[in-house]
Amino acid sequence: SYELTQPPSVSVSPGQTARITCSGDALSNQYAYWYQQKPGQAPVLVMQKDTERPSGIPERFSGSSSGTTVTLTISGVQAGDEADYYCQSADSDSTYFVFGTGTKVTVL
Amino acid sequence: QVQLQQWGAGLLKPSETLSLTCAVYGGSLSDYYWRWIRQTPGKGLEWIGEINHSGSTGFNPSLKSRVVISVDTSKNQFSLKLSSVTAADTAVYYCARGGYCTGGSCYPSNAFDIWGQGTLVTVSS
Repeated sequence: SYELTQPPSVSVSPGQTARITCSGDALSNQYAYWYQQKPGQAPVLVMQKDTERPSGIPERFSGSSSGTTVTLTISGVQAGDEADYYCQSADSDSTYFVFGTGTKVTVL
Repeated sequence: QVQLQQWGAGLLKPSETLSLTCAVYGGSLSDYYWRWIRQTPGKGLEWIGEINHSGSTGFNPSLKSRVVISVDTSKNQFSLKLSSVTAADTAVYYCARGGYCTGGSCYPSNAFDIWGQGTLVTVSS
């Protein structure tokens, strides 16, 4: 089955930049989406179609794509950005959706 | 502002059928796909399936044989049934809208842009 691979954890100091990668074979022809999930809460969409920021999401969040890897970048990290982050996409035939393994972002 | 509210039984015995319902408030079922997702500590987030207002469905191949998703447009609700549950089906279950919004307009999408609050379902004898 199709999988999206993320690093388990990323640690960053306040004010620095966090980069979270997501790799998957179909990402070269399928958009990726990113979600932020805080403990006990439902995920929140923070990036859509690789690089578009939904309304209400701070400009500190940006997305990029290169080949089979997409990246979510959080600039000027704040304590409130500490959360789990998941990428999501579809398989190459658009028959089912898959989520990444998740990355825990820790603000030191 | 569209909101999703979900409910259903939280404790099941093995072999029983999980049943959850999600109500859509502040918007119509039309024009979007409506989805179910579950989350377990071991497997993370897993897409279960989806339905649109006309009843067209799609399912995760790994769960397809046990899943039924239905829609009730008169109540603005959609529902999930998962049969023959086991302990491996213990998870937090979410409903979500398949869409995204940009420039003040919203569109159907592969994104999951609005989520319900989640329901913990435990399967135990």
